[in-house]
Amino acid sequence: SQELEQSPQSLIVQEGKNLTINCTSSKTLYGLYWYKQKYGEGLIFLMMLQKGGEEKSHEKITAKLDEKKQQSSLHITASQPSHAGIYLCGADPGGAQKLVFGQGTRLTINP
Amino acid sequence: GAVVSQHPSRVICKSGTSVKIECRSLDFQATTMFWYRQFPKKSLMLMATSNEGSKATYEQGVEKDKFLINHASLTLSTLTVTSAHPEDSSFYICSARDRGVGYTFGSGTRLTVV
Repeated sequence: SQELEQSPQSLIVQEGKNLTINCTSSKTLYGLYWYKQKYGEGLIFLMMLQKGGEEKSHEKITAKLDEKKQQSSLHITASQPSHAGIYLCGADPGGAQKLVFGQGTRLTINP
Repeated sequence: GAVVSQHPSRVICKSGTSVKIECRSLDFQATTMFWYRQFPKKSLMLMATSNEGSKATYEQGVEKDKFLINHASLTLSTLTVTSAHPEDSSFYICSARDRGVGYTFGSGTRLTVV
């Protein structure tokens, strides 16, 4: 089965600082999804990456998928309190037509 | 964009009773929906894949008789937690594949069994 390792599991940064969250798989990623969740609420879709080397940006958030399609990173520039939450990477385990998730990264932004 | 509605958002039930959670795709048809469970400060654990008109596919370790899934129409899947016990207390969330290749999530249901 496909297992996704997210790191770090918890991250505390000063407002205005940049940060990176990583998501690694032992198998090829067929579709890598990034979501954000406020605790006890639903998931907010951020980005989806499919092609090796692909990079997408939305506002201050950039996500990349490496050439081998086994690792993705999520980078936030000039973090703001609104970026606080749980970030989850999810992947479709190779044709299974379902989405499984990494452990999540809990991001706290200190003013 | 695609919207998935989940109801109720919170439910408290007595031990031994059953609870039904609904997941609806509001503006698209979803032949496949998914049910997840999330423990406090943990990630989402896929419980089962709900297939319209056929039996659900359960992940390893998930009790089929405890978590009954029905996907009777292209816009509605239900999860029934039968004979609920305090250990079933959790956050349950559904999702559906939308028209593209994305997955849209409901807002979740917090179940508390007392």
